[in-house]
Amino acid sequence: GDSVTQMEGPVTLSEEAFLTINCTYTATGYPSLFWYVQYPGEGLQLLLKATKADDKGSNKGFEATYRKETTSFHLEKGSVQVSDSAVYFCALRGVREGSNYKLTFGKGTLLTVNP
Amino acid sequence: DVKVTQSSRYLVKRTGEKVFLECVQDMDHENMFWYRQDPGLGLRLIYFSYDVKMKEKGDIPEGYSVSREKKERFSLILESASTNQTSMYLCASRVAGGSHEQFFGPGTRLTVL
Repeated sequence: GDSVTQMEGPVTLSEEAFLTINCTYTATGYPSLFWYVQYPGEGLQLLLKATKADDKGSNKGFEATYRKETTSFHLEKGSVQVSDSAVYFCALRGVREGSNYKLTFGKGTLLTVNP
Repeated sequence: DVKVTQSSRYLVKRTGEKVFLECVQDMDHENMFWYRQDPGLGLRLIYFSYDVKMKEKGDIPEGYSVSREKKERFSLILESASTNQTSMYLCASRVAGGSHEQFFGPGTRLTVL
């Protein structure tokens, strides 16, 4: 079945540092890929997405590129802020009949940014 | 502004009690979901409803049931709560056939003693 593997946290950075959170996936065909963010005490919200190979999703200074050849969708930000402290989830929507209605999530990566 | 609300942020129940978790969305979405979130396990799908009175089991339906009598409301029921159901429960909704973005509620942290 479909699966998502993301780097385990927690990740602790200083403000203005560069961020990478790795995400790789296993799925047939060309799934849609997502990054969701969960701020403390809140539900998840969509951060960015990509629906086909080589697409780059971007939002709030975060970027991720859909790499079919490496089955990856790594999240990056050039300069993190304290307000970016949150849990980040990589997710995919598969294309197989019977499972294409749902999202498969990674386990989440806790990011803490210190001033 | 899109909105998914959950009836409680925090809930404490005793083993064996029947528990109802309510979720309401105001976006006229056809699809609604219930997940549980546990540290180190991420989000796991409990049940999915693709329309009123329609439901499908997710990855971990054991010990849970659901009800969708109205389009905007999706209820998760724990018939007889157990301590291993202590968790954060998240509800989500999305429009059918759309971008597949799911909109999440703030979550209910349930503790079963």
